[in-house]
Amino acid sequence: NAGVTQTPKFQVLKTGQSMTLQCAQDMNHNSMYWYRQDPGMGLRLIYYSASEGTTDKGEVPNGYNVSRLNKREFSLRLESAAPSQTSVYFCASSFARGPQGYEQYFGPGTRLTVT
Amino acid sequence: GQQVMQIPQYQHVQEGEDFTTYCNSSTTLSNIQWYKQRPGGHPVFLIQLVKSGEVKKQKRLTFQFGEAKKNSSLHITATQTTDVGTYFCAGLVNTNAGKSTFGDGTTLTVKP
Repeated sequence: NAGVTQTPKFQVLKTGQSMTLQCAQDMNHNSMYWYRQDPGMGLRLIYYSASEGTTDKGEVPNGYNVSRLNKREFSLRLESAAPSQTSVYFCASSFARGPQGYEQYFGPGTRLTVT
Repeated sequence: GQQVMQIPQYQHVQEGEDFTTYCNSSTTLSNIQWYKQRPGGHPVFLIQLVKSGEVKKQKRLTFQFGEAKKNSSLHITATQTTDVGTYFCAGLVNTNAGKSTFGDGTTLTVKP
């Protein structure tokens, strides 16, 4: 099992460009999440999806859109990149059912720089 | 909204000393999870606590969940250089949403 995979690993964008970050999990998890982590900071939730076909805003959704394509895949789109979106982006997934199933498994991250 | 505060932000210890990080929530939690992130890496799940007053151990790591399910701690006995990293707690309030709120983390450095 690959766990949670993310592409690309690194990306440099110019201000105003768009891009989509891809995430896939092979653990049959129900919930998926997108976080951003700025240098020396904690994890801030951008969007999450509690199940296939549903998405909800987290604490910092502005400037982003998401799509839960199927149970495995959850993509994050930047429509018009800004330097403030320079960050490391982590995708995570969780079974999110029952009393013990809420631990999250993270992908390796995408390091995005917007110039 | 729900807040999860974690202290201290940084901790520098000599190898062999103990280390503790504390997590406090503004609301009662359904469960709390702990993660470790090595420098340049991604967060890795360590443990989940569910019951009031629960204590769990993983070798030199001891995790506690408070009686009121609003606070938690992670204690490392006799730190080693391999313990270096940032430790995050994450509190789950709404099991239907499956969304946890992460603390800002405690970054541990260990001097050999």
